[in-house]
Order: sequence, then structure tokens, then C-alpha cells
Amino acid sequence: AQTVTQSQPEMSVQEAETVTLSCTYDTSENNYYLFWYKQPPSRQMILVIRQEAYKQQNATENRFSVNFQKAAKSFSLKISDSQLGDTAMYFCAFMKNTGNQFYFGTGTSLTVIP
Amino acid sequence: DTGVSQNPRHKITKRGQNVTFRCDPISEHNRLYWYRQTLGQGPEFLTYFQNEAQLEKSRLLSDRFSAERPKGSFSTLEIQRTEQGDSAMYLCASSITSSEPEQYFGPGTRLTVT
Repeated sequence: AQTVTQSQPEMSVQEAETVTLSCTYDTSENNYYLFWYKQPPSRQMILVIRQEAYKQQNATENRFSVNFQKAAKSFSLKISDSQLGDTAMYFCAFMKNTGNQFYFGTGTSLTVIP
Repeated sequence: DTGVSQNPRHKITKRGQNVTFRCDPISEHNRLYWYRQTLGQGPEFLTYFQNEAQLEKSRLLSDRFSAERPKGSFSTLEIQRTEQGDSAMYLCASSITSSEPEQYFGPGTRLTVT
């Protein structure tokens, strides 16, 4: 079974600062995908970034980057130059390479303070 | 661009009643997923369709739940004899192929069972 753990229920960051959200997972699979999704208040979930497990290079999307440590089963999200619009619930998700369903963590509520 | 849409957005029903939700995926996406999200939790997988075939069901999907995707386009999720424990946000997502595993989520249907 796959499990995803987000140990930070809530976090806050000053506007323009950098924040890192943590995620660990447990799996016996070797090939899989990891994702971060963002769920703004009362709005639908939006994909932030994706990482393939076979890639050693960490994924980057503009101000968002990940630190993927496969051996440690760790997948953290770094948000640089935080903006007010980054305020949201952030979910870490795992998907087997041969699978179809996501396994989500419990989420981290991020508040960007002006 | 029309993303994933879900109707209704909110549903209040009395215990014991039947409810049906609809999901319209992104038009070229042949994969469709249903998830359930309760307060303070990440989404939990319920079921998955590839075209009109229902290929995977979670054990969370009790026999009171049924999902269909009759023509491989929109999908419906029906809950019979609703219980208070069914109160949750029901999310629909779609994706295009297994090589592009990102799932695109709809806004959800919030069900309240009184």
C-alpha cells in the first residue's frame, strides 16, 4: 500500500519570502510519479508540479521547485518569492507508474502574509 | 477552454434519499476519476473509467454507490439511501493518457446529508 504524509498542517510565510512544504511517502514501487497540487479556498485543485521517480533532476516550474530524495522517500516543495495568490491548501500526491489513482496526503494550509 | 465541470455544486439531502452527481470531463480526455474529500483530509480515490469501462473501484465504494460513464463522455455518481457519513466533497478528475498522468480536477460537488 502507498501512503503519503504531510506533517505540517499549517504554515505561513511573509510575502516575497521563501517557504518549503514537506512530504514523505512510503512505497515498494520503483517507478512512480509525485505531484504537488494547490487548492485555493473554494476553488478547484490545480497542478503545481510533477516529478518522475526515474529522473534525478528536480522539477522546476517558475517560482516552484521540488527537492526529490528517492532513497529517503521525500518530496518537498519550495515556493520562492511567495505571493498572496499562493495562499491555498497544498496536497502532495503519489501515483504508481502502472496505476491510475492518486494517493494524497492530508494537506498543508499555506497562508501568505502581506 | 472548458475544464472539468461538475453539477450540482452543492446538494443538501435528507438521510435515506438518493442523489446523483454529474461530471463532464475535458473533451479529449478518455480517463475519468471520482474522489471523495472530507474536511481536513486529502481526496480519496473512489473509482476510475477508461472510456466507458469502469476499470477500478475502491473498497470505499460501497454497494450504495454506483458510477457510470455510458458513452465514454460524461459520468454520473449515484448514492442510494444516503447516510450522514456520506457528507463530503465529491471530486471528479480527468486525464488524457497513461503517459500524461496529470489529472485535472473539477470544482467538486459538496454533499450535505441532514
